[in-house]
Amino acid sequence: AQRVTQPEKLLSVFKGAPVELKCNYSYSGSPELFWYVQYSRQRLQLLLRHISRESIKGFTADLNKGETSFHLKKPFAQEEDSAMYYCALSARESSASKIIFGSGTRLSIRP
Amino acid sequence: DVKVTQSSRYLVKRTGEKVFLECVQDMDHENMFWYRQDPGLGLRLIYFSYDVKMKEKGDIPEGYSVSREKKERFSLILESASTNQTSMYLCASTDRAYSNQPQHFGDGTRLSIL
Repeated sequence: AQRVTQPEKLLSVFKGAPVELKCNYSYSGSPELFWYVQYSRQRLQLLLRHISRESIKGFTADLNKGETSFHLKKPFAQEEDSAMYYCALSARESSASKIIFGSGTRLSIRP
Repeated sequence: DVKVTQSSRYLVKRTGEKVFLECVQDMDHENMFWYRQDPGLGLRLIYFSYDVKMKEKGDIPEGYSVSREKKERFSLILESASTNQTSMYLCASTDRAYSNQPQHFGDGTRLSIL
């Protein structure tokens, strides 16, 4: 079964501390993974995707197929990183791709 | 920049009413999606469409239907609203089928069923 698991509902860290938001997936095919972010009073938007292998706003995420994980990391948290983060998996169906989202992790950065 | 517009930010309806949520995108995207967003449950896919007049059930289609008469517009219909359908509803679109392109989201409609 296709599934995305984010084990932490809430993660609270101090400004300047490292951040790691966990994401594990279950998918029989070749996975395409994303992180989406929703800042307060803003629409949900793409943060990064594994295929791009890029760093956005200091965040990186590496796909580990052995551990079926796609954890989001940032070495030094900033207050503006406080938001809701969703890990997502693109799953190919017969006619189109659909995205399966995790339950989300609320990141709170303390000053 | 892709624009996905949902017709209402807030909506209050009564139990048993038929409710229409409208979504329009301006980038000629083939794929459109409706999700509901609930605390602790994340985003759950209700229905999606990969072409005009085509629709596919998502994970929680019960109590909902959709309509896609034009490429740019995707409507979500609550046939007979119930209180457990109180939620935030998000519309999204992507370019091309079989695509790993990111989804573009609307601002959401917060629907309350009394």
